[in-house]
Amino acid sequence: KAGVTQTPRYLIKTRGQQVTLSCSPISGHRSVSWYQQTPGQGLQFLFEYFSETQRNKGNFPGRFSGRQFSNSRSEMNVSTLELGDSALYLCASSLAGSASYNEQFFGPGTRLTVL
Amino acid sequence: AQSVTQLGSHVSVSEGALVLLRCNYSSSVPPYLFWYVQYPNQGLQLLLKYTSAATLVKGINGFEAEFKKSETSFHLTKPSAHMSDAAEYFCAVSEQNNDMRFGAGTRLTVKP
Repeated sequence: KAGVTQTPRYLIKTRGQQVTLSCSPISGHRSVSWYQQTPGQGLQFLFEYFSETQRNKGNFPGRFSGRQFSNSRSEMNVSTLELGDSALYLCASSLAGSASYNEQFFGPGTRLTVL
Repeated sequence: AQSVTQLGSHVSVSEGALVLLRCNYSSSVPPYLFWYVQYPNQGLQLLLKYTSAATLVKGINGFEAEFKKSETSFHLTKPSAHMSDAAEYFCAVSEQNNDMRFGAGTRLTVKP
């Protein structure tokens, strides 16, 4: 079974631009979560989507948004990029439902650099 | 809201020595607890998880963790460190709906 895939793996943008990151979950997984990882702030939860609906949201500004498609694939968008948005963005998928004991499977991440 | 504190951002052990990585949690309800490992330029891989079935949880690569409610702890141990264990380790807690909160991470170095 294929794992979680994220595209692109590396991305360089300039301040003020916008970016879209993509995540394809493991087949059969309906929940997709997004995290931002930086050396200073560590791993921070962005949001979680389940059945095309945002179910949970972390403490990030509205410039960060996402969506999920009917095939469970998810995209994350960051508008008006700032230097501080440079980070590794990780996507994780898990089985359906609200059971928090479901293991989250992580993709390799997208490394975003904002110049 | 739930949270996790990992004591020690860096831990260094000799090959063959005991590995102990500390994690304390805060949760208003019985939590689900996880340990993940991250190798350079990779995503996170689950080592083990606590879901209230047993307080001593065994994971992959010889790691185990014990849930101690009285101490609100979930420390990760391995009896004998291997060079390949060098990585960053994250403790995480989840209360509901996959809202997982991670600790700041502990970088493990293994000396030959």
